[in-house]
Amino acid sequence: AQSVTQLGSHVSVSEGALVLLRCNYSSSVPPYLFWYVQYPNQGLQLLLKYTSAATLVKGINGFEAEFKKSETSFHLTKPSAHMSDAAEYFCAVSRGGSNYKLTFGKGTLLTVNP
Amino acid sequence: KAGVTQTPRYLIKTRGQQVTLSCSPISGHRSVSWYQQTPGQGLQFLFEYFSETQRNKGNFPGRFSGRQFSNSRSEMNVSTLELGDSALYLCASMTSGGLQETQYFGPGTRLLVL
Repeated sequence: AQSVTQLGSHVSVSEGALVLLRCNYSSSVPPYLFWYVQYPNQGLQLLLKYTSAATLVKGINGFEAEFKKSETSFHLTKPSAHMSDAAEYFCAVSRGGSNYKLTFGKGTLLTVNP
Repeated sequence: KAGVTQTPRYLIKTRGQQVTLSCSPISGHRSVSWYQQTPGQGLQFLFEYFSETQRNKGNFPGRFSGRQFSNSRSEMNVSTLELGDSALYLCASMTSGGLQETQYFGPGTRLLVL
């Protein structure tokens, strides 16, 4: 069964610093991987997704993630944090053959300090 | 294009009551998935409907049920509410659920059971 583990339930960075949010996956088949962001009192917004086309995936708002099969990782990065990046971030993996059932990690709350 | 809409946005019920939540997908989308989000369990898949048929179901008791109408709008129902049902309920829509597609989430319905 597919699963994801997000290391660190809370990450705090200074404005302008590198953002690194960690995600490791477990999947018996080649996975499709996603990063979503959730702002307070809102639903989830897709940041980026890996669908096996390229290992380095660029998303919205300057975020990117690299798929590393050898490390079973899909970490999310942004070179320079902005105050507006403060939110909760979720890594997710899709069930093989379809994308309508996502298995989510527990989430990482990102705070950005001025 | 209008996004996924969910009504109501907030709901307060008491134990033992039942509740119905509604989700209108993006125009043209025929797949609707439902998720429960709680601080303890995180985001968990409830079920998915496509063309009025339930295609997949998560590990929830039978008190949780859903349906989809011919216009793709979906409802979920929770009977005999328990305190633990307090959560944010998110729905998401896709064209058909294929691997190249993306799920688009609504803002959620926040249910409080007293």
